[in-house]
Amino acid sequence: DAMVIQNPRYQVTQFGKPVTLSCSQTLNHNVMYWYQQKSSQAPKLLFHYYDKDFNNEADTPDNFQSRRPNTSFCFLDIRSPGLGDAAMYLCATSERTDDYEQYFGPGTRLTVT
Amino acid sequence: GQNIDQPTEMTATEGAIVQINCTYQTSGFNGLFWYQQHAGEAPTFLSYNVLDGLEEKGRFSSFLSRSKGYSYLLLKELQMKDSASYLCAVRDSNYQLIWGAGTKLIIKP
Repeated sequence: DAMVIQNPRYQVTQFGKPVTLSCSQTLNHNVMYWYQQKSSQAPKLLFHYYDKDFNNEADTPDNFQSRRPNTSFCFLDIRSPGLGDAAMYLCATSERTDDYEQYFGPGTRLTVT
Repeated sequence: GQNIDQPTEMTATEGAIVQINCTYQTSGFNGLFWYQQHAGEAPTFLSYNVLDGLEEKGRFSSFLSRSKGYSYLLLKELQMKDSASYLCAVRDSNYQLIWGAGTKLIIKP
């Protein structure tokens, strides 16, 4: 089945220790998104790629970086996680930016100790 | 600024009907979405409205009034599995999704 896969589902990292979250998709979609969602809050878009074109949201902290080495994979790097970065991180894809549906992965819940 | 408002929490009874409202103020409008999100899981797409009126899809219907900046999601014949958060999101003039914080729907037997 075509899908969006996120690994790991749960990640624990230490304060200040770099961590990488991964996302892969078998949908062959052009656009990949990374969202941060804290409990009972709206998902917050961090950045998205249209193919290899990277689009950073204005209020995304510099602590968050992303890489998309190919169509299928996208990574979220948090260089120095703080306690406030504990959240669910959602990866989503769409064929185009004006597509009416985004397909979400199951998310990675990040805990910072 | 851009804003999506929806109630924080609602309670309904199994078998009943519930309406979840959403009002929005955004820079431009290119469609309104409803997503369902079970606790600890990713959002799943429910509906999309870009023109005024009602879109029906099985037990779920979504309504849009662009002039009023208003939408609602109507859930009929409620089942226990419908207990979830329901997120309203609007696509603005830059085709970015602006998300509401979600309405937590609690279904009681």
